[in-house]
Amino acid sequence: QSALTQPPSVSGAPGQRVTISCTGSSSNIGAGYDVHWYQQLPGTAPKLLIYDKNYRPSGVPDRFSASKSGASASLAITGLQPEDEAEYFCQSYDSSLIGEVFGGGTKVTVL
Amino acid sequence: QVHLVESGGGLVKSGGSLRLSCAASGFIFSGSYMGWLRQAPGKGLECISYIGVSDDTIYYADAVKGRFTISRDNAKSSLSLQMSSLRVEDTAIYYCARVIVAGSANRFDPWGQGTLVTVSS
Repeated sequence: QSALTQPPSVSGAPGQRVTISCTGSSSNIGAGYDVHWYQQLPGTAPKLLIYDKNYRPSGVPDRFSASKSGASASLAITGLQPEDEAEYFCQSYDSSLIGEVFGGGTKVTVL
Repeated sequence: QVHLVESGGGLVKSGGSLRLSCAASGFIFSGSYMGWLRQAPGKGLECISYIGVSDDTIYYADAVKGRFTISRDNAKSSLSLQMSSLRVEDTAIYYCARVIVAGSANRFDPWGQGTLVTVSS
């Protein structure tokens, strides 16, 4: 049972916009802690995709964006590409668990 | 560029021990927090331990507290994880990562390629 809840899967056609939700609680996202997003391509290690409010590390395309509202956060992929097919994880800090926590991951399928 | 390479994974029986290592390059290791995360087969990610620049800060997740010990050798740019009293549920890919301590939630960047630990009953 992850502290952050993500849908198991989302899908979209190339060029479409998809969003991935990350629902937390008053001890993590709802308390105002930063949310970060990671991309894990098949068979590889996770890679930091977006951090804090909506910052992208060098090399991450601007079709990826993030937002946060209340106890939830979301990742949007605008103009979905075949190479975006991967698993995506959200991560924050939880003051009750006293540590960093992750969502269970969302598999994005490009139709 | 920043590079992390884990080693030491393998097959071990329940109750056994294993030591993982992570070799770092391309950044100032001695000035960076470092951590270990894991991913059980088909499951999500879990931060199990991290260590401050001079052992001043050490974190363990409840799941490994008292069984795992993290350490670092700044002279060798190396991070280690001594795992003992291993359980079947410790089976996972173990990743080494630099921990970026900024803002209100630490983040992990970059990650190594991972090393597989399998604990059999």
